[in-house]
Amino acid sequence: EAGVVQSPRYKIIEKKQPVAFWCNPISGHNTLYWYRQNLGQGPELLIRYENEEAVDDSQLPKDRFSAERLKGVDSTLKIQPAELGDSAVYLCASSLDRFSYEQYFGPGTRLTVT
Amino acid sequence: DAKTTQPPSMDCAEGRAANLPCNHSTISGNEYVYWYRQIHSQGPQYIIHGLKNNETNEMASLIITEDRKSSTLILPHATLRDTAVYYCIVKGVSYNTDKLIFGTGTRLQVFP
Repeated sequence: EAGVVQSPRYKIIEKKQPVAFWCNPISGHNTLYWYRQNLGQGPELLIRYENEEAVDDSQLPKDRFSAERLKGVDSTLKIQPAELGDSAVYLCASSLDRFSYEQYFGPGTRLTVT
Repeated sequence: DAKTTQPPSMDCAEGRAANLPCNHSTISGNEYVYWYRQIHSQGPQYIIHGLKNNETNEMASLIITEDRKSSTLILPHATLRDTAVYYCIVKGVSYNTDKLIFGTGTRLQVFP
C-alpha cells in the first residue's frame, strides 16, 4: 500500500517569494492534516480537512498561508509571501476519518527561506 | 500546549528493554494516551494507544497507571532502528480535543 506522498522533499526560496507544497493522501482516507515542524520541536497542526471541508484551521496564519483540497483527495498548502520564520518541515498526514486512532504521515517537505 | 511531560533524552543498550516514561497528571476520563515516534528525516509513526488498560502490539507495550496520571512505553528488545524521538500525547474524542498535540518528546538513543 502506498503511503502519503509529498512533494517536493526540499525547497529553498528567497523571502517574499511564494511556495507551494503538494500532498497525496492514502487512497480512501477522508481526513487530511497539514502540520508544521520547527527544528527541535514536535509537529504543530495547521489545518485539518474532512473530505473537501476545512474543519480546523485555527492555527493557520491566514494572512499568508492558504490551503485547498480539491475533490477531497490531493491537497496543496501555499505560502505567499514567505518569511524567514517559515523555514520548517511541512508534514502532511491522513486518516480514514477523524475517529481513526492512527494518522499516517508523509516524509515532509523541508522549506528553507533565505 | 502539550498535556504531557517526558524526559528530553534516554539511552538504551541494544537488545535490552527501553522504558519511556510519560506524565499526564491532568488527563481527563475520556482522553486516550497515544505514542508516536519519529525517526530522523521521516514523518511521525503511530506506535500504540490506550485508555486505562495495558495494551500490547507487535511494536510495543503500554502500561498506564491505575490513576491514569502516568504511563510507560516499553520496547521489549530495542534495536538500533528504534533510535528516534518518542512522543507521548493525550488525545480526546470530542470535536475540539481530538487532535494530536505534540510536545518535544524523548530522544531515545539505542547503542550497540
